[in-house]
Amino acid sequence: EPEVTQTPSHQVTQMGQEVILRCVPISNHLYFYWYRQILGQKVEFLVSFYNNEISEKSEIFDDQFSVERPDGSNFTLKIRSTKLEDSAMYFCASSVTNTGELFFGEGSRLTVL
Amino acid sequence: DAKTTQPPSMDCAEGRAANLPCNHSTISGNEYVYWYRQIHSQGPQYIIHGLKNNETNEMASLIITEDRKSSTLILPHATLRDTAVYYCIVRLRIKAAGNKLTFGGGTRVLVKP
Repeated sequence: EPEVTQTPSHQVTQMGQEVILRCVPISNHLYFYWYRQILGQKVEFLVSFYNNEISEKSEIFDDQFSVERPDGSNFTLKIRSTKLEDSAMYFCASSVTNTGELFFGEGSRLTVL
Repeated sequence: DAKTTQPPSMDCAEGRAANLPCNHSTISGNEYVYWYRQIHSQGPQYIIHGLKNNETNEMASLIITEDRKSSTLILPHATLRDTAVYYCIVRLRIKAAGNKLTFGGGTRVLVKP
């Protein structure tokens, strides 16, 4: 069964460092998303992406965050200068259409020290 | 998107049906009811969705009341692997609305042997 894959599964970084989280969406999916979940809290929407541009973003997704699809298969989330409060599980998701079901990856756990 | 209310937790016996309620009294006529689940901090997993008719797939059944103000997700024969947090989400299924999911607290279901 096709699945969304994410790397790394866990990354530890120092505050202020740049982090790139990578995702390989399901191959025939056209819409891509990032969500995050701080430990013990709700899953929160960050950004949606289609046709090489951001479709929608939340207020969490500030200038420290960026997304890109550099090579037609990977979908990346970059955090330019990490803060302690960026520590969370980051989930990538994809869907075939703009109204279809989302398929989520297993997540990348980011720990900022 | 309409707000949903779910019990914070419930237990279920292995092999028995699990009935998970969700209230969405402010649902509008063109909003769908979606169910996702999250097993132990893994990525959320789509289960089922419906508009007004009852729906069934290989994972579960969804019963929506005639006034659409509430629904019940039924796991017909719960297994230990069904232990998870179950999220009821109400959203529009039109392109203009985008595909952002708003997760609440969900119901933490513990399936016991």
